[in-house]
Amino acid sequence: KQEVTQIPAALSVPEGENLVLNCSFTDSAIYNLQWFRQDPGKGLTSLLLIQSSQREQTSGRLNASLDKSSGRSTLYIAASQPGDSATYLCAVPLGGATNKLIFGTGTLLAVQP
Amino acid sequence: KAGVTQTPRYLIKTRGQQVTLSCSPISGHRSVSWYQQTPGQGLQFLFEYFSETQRNKGNFPGRFSGRQFSNSRSEMNVSTLELGDSALYLCASSFQGPASEKLFFGSGTQLSVL
Repeated sequence: KQEVTQIPAALSVPEGENLVLNCSFTDSAIYNLQWFRQDPGKGLTSLLLIQSSQREQTSGRLNASLDKSSGRSTLYIAASQPGDSATYLCAVPLGGATNKLIFGTGTLLAVQP
Repeated sequence: KAGVTQTPRYLIKTRGQQVTLSCSPISGHRSVSWYQQTPGQGLQFLFEYFSETQRNKGNFPGRFSGRQFSNSRSEMNVSTLELGDSALYLCASSFQGPASEKLFFGSGTQLSVL
């Protein structure tokens, strides 16, 4: 059974700091991994999607890496800003032809000005 | 291009009632999936529809049901509401539905059961 965990559960950093969020999954046979951002009381915004054949994806100040063999993914945020404050979730699909995603528990990030 | 639209945004119901939530996917998207989010259980998959057919179902009781119309709009229904059904219900759409695509989420419907 696929389980996805995220560490840390919460993180508070001063503005400008570089930071790393971690995501672990128990079954390495994944098709891809997505990182999402969620603002309080809102829906999710897809940040990065890494296919199983890729090692990393970059979008602006965000970089996500994927190591299937170790069951880990990291989201690196460079030069953090107060606007980055949100909950970050990772998710993997249960199978290749489905949008049934298994989500991690999330990391609540607070960037202090 | 309009995003995923969910209505209503907030809903207050009492135990035993039933509720219907609506989701309009991004134009051209044919896959619609539903998730329940609670502080205790996090995000849990409810079901997924593609071309009016339920393609996947999560581990929820039969009180939770859904459907998709020919224009890809989807509704989910919860009958005989329980206090534990209080949650943020999120709808997501994608073009075809294979796992290689990004999911686009709506802002959700916050359901409170009193």
